[in-house]
Amino acid sequence: DIQMTQSPSTLSASVGDRVTITCRASQSINSWLAWYQQKPGKAPKLLIYKASSLESGVPSRFSGSGSGTEFTLTISSLQPDDFATYYCQQYNNYNTFGPGTKVDIK
Amino acid sequence: EVQLLESGGGLVQPGGSLRLSCAASGFTFSNCAMNWVRQAPGEGLEWVSGVGGNGADTSYADSVKGRFTISRDNSKNTVSLQMNSLRAEDTAVYFCVKQWGANGFHFDYWGQGVLVTVSS
Repeated sequence: DIQMTQSPSTLSASVGDRVTITCRASQSINSWLAWYQQKPGKAPKLLIYKASSLESGVPSRFSGSGSGTEFTLTISSLQPDDFATYYCQQYNNYNTFGPGTKVDIK
Repeated sequence: EVQLLESGGGLVQPGGSLRLSCAASGFTFSNCAMNWVRQAPGEGLEWVSGVGGNGADTSYADSVKGRFTISRDNSKNTVSLQMNSLRAEDTAVYFCVKQWGANGFHFDYWGQGVLVTVSS
């Protein structure tokens, strides 16, 4: 089974900050990685797929990079609507989610 | 507009059974794999099960293998999850999730979720 880790688990930031979240896979998943945003009581929302492809309608301040086992999600300038929990997911071999990164207000 | 509407959640005793259903609309249902993902209270996301567009290809997380069965009816645009031998650790919000295309792609649309509580 492929295991996913994320760091940090919690991130405190201010509006306008550049934010980076890291996701690591226990073995190579090529570029078969997605990022989701989830707000309390809501369903997750797809942000990025295939490691770096921006889902339609998602603001361009979100970007993804990486391949193999190490990936990053970057928010170039944090907005009030971005305070949420972010999950990575590998879909190279079945599906596994990372434990999540909560982005809260500093 | 893609819509995924789950139903069938509720309170069930340990060892009991429950059947979740998801009604889909707004896309060509038979072309897309469908999945169930769950989230225990205060916890992260856990993929539970998936089914290919033709209904023949199914897969399960180890935690539910042998207890849960996923199925789909392409004539009714529905996907179901039959959950047997339920345990307290199955308590979670269950999301119906559409896959972009066939198996092996990302999840592009999620339902709002349905709560399953396993407790005596």
